Amino acid sequence: NAGVTQTPKFRVLKTGQSMTLLCAQDMNHEYMYWYRQDPGMGLRLIHYSVGEGTTAKGEVPDGYNVSRLKKQNFLLGLESAAPSQTSVYFCASSYGQLVRADTQYFGPGTRLTVL
Amino acid sequence: TQLLEQSPQFLSIQEGENLTVYCNSSSVFSSLQWYRQEPGEGPVLLVTVVTGGEVKKLKRLTFQFGDARKDSSLHITAAQPGDTGLYLCAGGGTFGNEKLTFGTGTRLTIIP
Repeated sequence: NAGVTQTPKFRVLKTGQSMTLLCAQDMNHEYMYWYRQDPGMGLRLIHYSVGEGTTAKGEVPDGYNVSRLKKQNFLLGLESAAPSQTSVYFCASSYGQLVRADTQYFGPGTRLTVL
Repeated sequence: TQLLEQSPQFLSIQEGENLTVYCNSSSVFSSLQWYRQEPGEGPVLLVTVVTGGEVKKLKRLTFQFGDARKDSSLHITAAQPGDTGLYLCAGGGTFGNEKLTFGTGTRLTIIP
């Protein structure tokens, strides 16, 4: 039972390049999330999904796209990377039942640098 | 936009001392969670509080949710080096809304 895994762990891009970050979970969770973490700003929600085939915008969605074709996978895409997207990206998942304060399980993160 | 401010931003104390970190907002949250994050890893949930005034204890850690459900505190007694990490509070939205609003974080260092 691996929990939440993310690939790659590190990546360096040049401005304008594109890439996809992959998140996978083996807990049969309905909800999945992508966050970015920057110094002094905590975690900010980029996009999230409440089930296979669905996606929704979070707090900072501009410059990112997502897809949830399979329940266990949630992909985050950067079509044209910018230096402002240099950050650590975390994926999380949760059961998403209609209960308060569902626990979110986080992956180990992807450190992305855009030059 | 709901905001959660944590204070202090950085805290460095000697092993064995007590400390309190705070999480404050002008918004009301349905629940409040505390996560701890170690370098190179994702956050891990420590506790969830859902009732105004609620107090939960986890060994040497005591968590309290404010009466008005706008703030929370984390108190650590007799801090140990293993308590070192980034502490994040996270507020839950309306009932059934699983999105969380994360605080700015408190980076805690316990000096042996």
